[in-house]
Amino acid sequence: QQQVKQSPQSLIVQKGGISIINCAYENTAFDYFPWYQQFPGKGPALLIAIRPDVSEKKEGRFTISFNKSAKQFSLHIMDSQPGDSATYFCAASKQSNYQLIWGAGTKLIIKP
Amino acid sequence: NAGVTQTPKFQVLKTGQSMTLQCAQDMNHNSMYWYRQDPGMGLRLIYYSASEGTTDKGEVPNGYNVSRLNKREFSLRLESAAPSQTSVYFCASSAWGSPLHFGNGTRLTVT
Repeated sequence: QQQVKQSPQSLIVQKGGISIINCAYENTAFDYFPWYQQFPGKGPALLIAIRPDVSEKKEGRFTISFNKSAKQFSLHIMDSQPGDSATYFCAASKQSNYQLIWGAGTKLIIKP
Repeated sequence: NAGVTQTPKFQVLKTGQSMTLQCAQDMNHNSMYWYRQDPGMGLRLIYYSASEGTTDKGEVPNGYNVSRLNKREFSLRLESAAPSQTSVYFCASSAWGSPLHFGNGTRLTVT
């Protein structure tokens, strides 16, 4: 009930391509779904977040798609750039913070 | 502004030794958190403090203690380190309803 399953574990995408990372959750009480980006040697930083009252949220090249009935959400990175190479974590919670349940992370490499 | 500052950045301990990880934030946030990050397991919450004067257990509290010294500072103590506590430890803070702000982590190795 508390798990958030993230896939793939690692992903290699050519520069300019679309990167897609998927997450699935079990607890239907979750109402906040953030994505965090982490560069080597740094802490995670919020990238984009969505609440279940919308099916999609876009910020620049980053889009979250949310499917409430399937209990899935995904991160799409359009026109992927080498600077996007990082580890991405999805998470979910019943509130906007402290009880975040995290996915295992996806290491994304963008090849020039 | 420094944000969330963690010390030390690196630490090597022998089994059974104790140590305290320090965390301070300068954003006037009420809530502070300690996470550990292990490969393939994401981040797991050890302890959190919703406000000054309160602390609560998270998902993996065994072997750890915390102190919310004041609004700015939240420390994590390992009383008797074990190899299973080898990890990267992150402190985070937030205001109610706002995202977590993380420090840059402490890389701890227990031999």
